[in-house]
Amino acid sequence: GIQVEQSPPDLILQEGANSTLRCNFSDSVNNLQWFHQNPWGQLINLFYIPSGTKQNGRLSATTVATERYSLLYISSSQTTDSGVYFCAPCPSGTYKYIFGTGTRLKVLA
Amino acid sequence: NAGVTQTPKFQVLKTGQSMTLQCAQDMNHEYMSWYRQDPGMGLRLIHYSVGAGITDQGEVPNGYNVSRSTTEDFPLRLLSAAPSQTSVYFCASSYEGEQPQHFGDGTRLSIL
Repeated sequence: GIQVEQSPPDLILQEGANSTLRCNFSDSVNNLQWFHQNPWGQLINLFYIPSGTKQNGRLSATTVATERYSLLYISSSQTTDSGVYFCAPCPSGTYKYIFGTGTRLKVLA
Repeated sequence: NAGVTQTPKFQVLKTGQSMTLQCAQDMNHEYMSWYRQDPGMGLRLIHYSVGAGITDQGEVPNGYNVSRSTTEDFPLRLLSAAPSQTSVYFCASSYEGEQPQHFGDGTRLSIL
């Protein structure tokens, strides 16, 4: 099955800093989503991005499906950005979203 | 509009007991899925459904059953609980399989 790798596994930032999270996947995909799991365990959908670039406020995401990776950019980070960020690609021809192991982000005030 | 509702929020079972985790959505979503999340790990897909009457297996289906008799509900049944099934279970839904997923708040299940 598809392999999903996220990097870095852990990240500590000072408030106001920028960061880039990466998601590599081993097979062709027709969909990809990014999620944020907050410290209370809730999962929030950030982006549905099978290809191209999308922006939502301080966050943006880019997926290059032909090269099998996606990037999540966080600018001017805030303490509320803390939590775990997951990518979940969906292999072509399936409806099975496969989650990576996540990037754990901590933003310090 | 309640979104995705999971019940119960917490449950403790003894080994060998059976139970059903409930998931309901009021957004008329066709696609629903169940995941489990073990400590410090990502989510693993258990079963999913692309519409009423249609279900399929995910990555880790053994020990779990699902059915989809209505668009709104997608219950997950543990047939004979084992300690290895201690986990947090999440249900998600989307309008179609190729649309953003919305997650419930999870059910924390402990099996002794």
